[in-house]
Amino acid sequence: EIVLTQSPGTLSLSPGERATLSCRTSQSISSSYLAWYQQKFGQAPRLLIYGASSRATGIPDRFSGSGSGTDFTLTISRLEPEDFAVYYCQQYGTSPPRYTFGQGTNLEIK
Amino acid sequence: QVQLQESGPGLVKPSGTLSLTCAVSGGSISNNIWWSWVRQPPGKGLEWIGEIYHKGNTNYNPSLKSRVTISVDKSKNQFSLNLNSVTAADTAVYYCAREGRGGYNLGGWGQGTLVTVSS
Repeated sequence: EIVLTQSPGTLSLSPGERATLSCRTSQSISSSYLAWYQQKFGQAPRLLIYGASSRATGIPDRFSGSGSGTDFTLTISRLEPEDFAVYYCQQYGTSPPRYTFGQGTNLEIK
Repeated sequence: QVQLQESGPGLVKPSGTLSLTCAVSGGSISNNIWWSWVRQPPGKGLEWIGEIYHKGNTNYNPSLKSRVTISVDKSKNQFSLNLNSVTAADTAVYYCAREGRGGYNLGGWGQGTLVTVSS
């Protein structure tokens, strides 16, 4: 089973700053299989990025994804107050478990 | 816009069976996508439980496979989760979700329902 490691565990930034979140997989994966989610307190996760770099419907263009192989990045170009949340990366497995998640990065207001 | 809504008991006794249903609205469960269950223990991360296709094909997380059954009811446009022999470790918010655009992701989620395992 592929393990996803996200860093940092907590990221403290101010509105207007740039956020860079990392997701490393224990084995090389297809970029098609990497997604990012945002989860606000008390809410369900929301898909942000799929296929490593494609924004989901309705996601602002300040969110971007990049990477390949074992190293993937979610970048938020200029933080808005509503962006402070927990972010998870996810990989798709060709055999079960189909979806495996990283442990999350907590993006908090500095 | 397809919407998902979980329902079921919020409290289950240890060694009992957790049963939840996910109602699909705004679209057909017979669309060519997979439907999943995901759970999240309080204060912890996300764990995929399993998925089902409208024809009844299923895939389960190996860590839960011996205790999980996911089924589909096309006449009611819903799918269900049964998890047996539950313990306190199964206490979590349970989400149903649908496969998203392009596949390989979960593009839509229900609001989630908290299930507590306690006597």
